[in-house]
Amino acid sequence: EPEVTQTPSHQVTQMGQEVILRCVPISNHLYFYWYRQILGQKVEFLVSFYNNEISEKSEIFDDQFSVERPDGSNFTLKIRSTKLEDSAMYFCASSGGQGKANYGYTFGSGTRLTVV
Amino acid sequence: QKEVEQDPGPLSVPEGAIVSLNCTYSNSAFQYFMWYRQYSRKGPELLMYTYSSGNKEDGRFTAQVDKSSKYISLFIRDSQPSDSATYLCAMSAYRNSGGSNYKLTFGKGTLLTVNP
Repeated sequence: EPEVTQTPSHQVTQMGQEVILRCVPISNHLYFYWYRQILGQKVEFLVSFYNNEISEKSEIFDDQFSVERPDGSNFTLKIRSTKLEDSAMYFCASSGGQGKANYGYTFGSGTRLTVV
Repeated sequence: QKEVEQDPGPLSVPEGAIVSLNCTYSNSAFQYFMWYRQYSRKGPELLMYTYSSGNKEDGRFTAQVDKSSKYISLFIRDSQPSDSATYLCAMSAYRNSGGSNYKLTFGKGTLLTVNP
């Protein structure tokens, strides 16, 4: 079964550093997302990406964050100048196969980001 | 009022029991309703997807949506120890603009333990 792959599985970074979280969505999917889950809290929407541009972003997704699809397969989330409160699980997801109804995401296993 | 509310549990049942999980919501624009299962330190896995009101059955799982009451349920019949996980409800409103897509709003999740 097709999977969304995320790397690394765990990233530890010092406060103020930049991190890049990487994702390989399912190959024929058209829509890509980042969500995050702070320990003990809800899974929260960050951003959606379609046709090489951001289609929607949440209030959380401020200038500290950026996304990119640098080639035909990877989808990245960059967090500049990390803060302690950025510590969370970050999930990449994709949906919407070509010619199919767009419903139901496939999530990756997540990257656990720890800012120290 | 929170947009999506879900009793976090924890819920502990004996093997073979019928499990009922529920969410309420306040946003009447929600049309798509999903249940995800999440194992510890893993990404959410789509279990059931329902559009608008009604019931949907898949094996031991039944999803119900009552839009008039803004209430959704997931029933698990003949529960198994392998069903032990956190169950997340999620929902979205359709947006037909610029390819923007189904941003999901999640409940907090209910931790279920099925005891052998």
